[in-house]
Amino acid sequence: KNQVEQSPQSLIILEGKNCTLQCNYTVSPFSNLRWYKQDTGRGPVSLTIMTFSENTKSNGRYTATLDADTKQSSLHITASQLSDSASYICVVSLWGGSYIPTFGRGTSLIVHP
Amino acid sequence: DADVTQTPRNRITKTGKRIMLECSQTKGHDRMYWYRQDPGLGLRLIYYSFDVKDINKGEISDGYSVSRQAQAKFSLSLESAIPNQTALYFCATSDGDGSSYEQYFGPGTRLTVT
Repeated sequence: KNQVEQSPQSLIILEGKNCTLQCNYTVSPFSNLRWYKQDTGRGPVSLTIMTFSENTKSNGRYTATLDADTKQSSLHITASQLSDSASYICVVSLWGGSYIPTFGRGTSLIVHP
Repeated sequence: DADVTQTPRNRITKTGKRIMLECSQTKGHDRMYWYRQDPGLGLRLIYYSFDVKDINKGEISDGYSVSRQAQAKFSLSLESAIPNQTALYFCATSDGDGSSYEQYFGPGTRLTVT
């Protein structure tokens, strides 16, 4: 069964600090991996996308990495801000076919002043 | 104006009532999806549609039905609502086959069944 596991489930950090969120997946054959940010009460918004041939992608203070061999991805947030408080969701897609993405359960990040 | 809109944004209904959630999009995408989100469980797919004549069941379709009235409109119905259908519901759209294209989500509908 295709699965996406995220850790930690929740994380609390102080403003200005860095943090790293993890995503492990068993989806195969792999097409791409996205990280979404979901603010409370809102729909998810895409941060980054990586295919199997890419191992890093940045979007401002967000940097995603991918190791397709070990089926692991991480999302690193640099110099956190209060607005980074949100849920971060890892989404993995199969290659080909009638594509339906597999969602992780998300990591809830709280940034304290 | 938002590209993907959902109505209503909040709804409280009683057990056994029929309820419809509506989704409209102005992105011109062919593919539309309905998800539900429960605390700690992430997003789960209910139904999806790749074009007006195409409807597919997702992971948790029991108790739900959908209608694709036009390319821009995709409605989700609960024929007889039950309390465990209390959740946050999201509509999403995507272009192409979705494997590389981004999904765009609506703002969500918070449904409470008492």
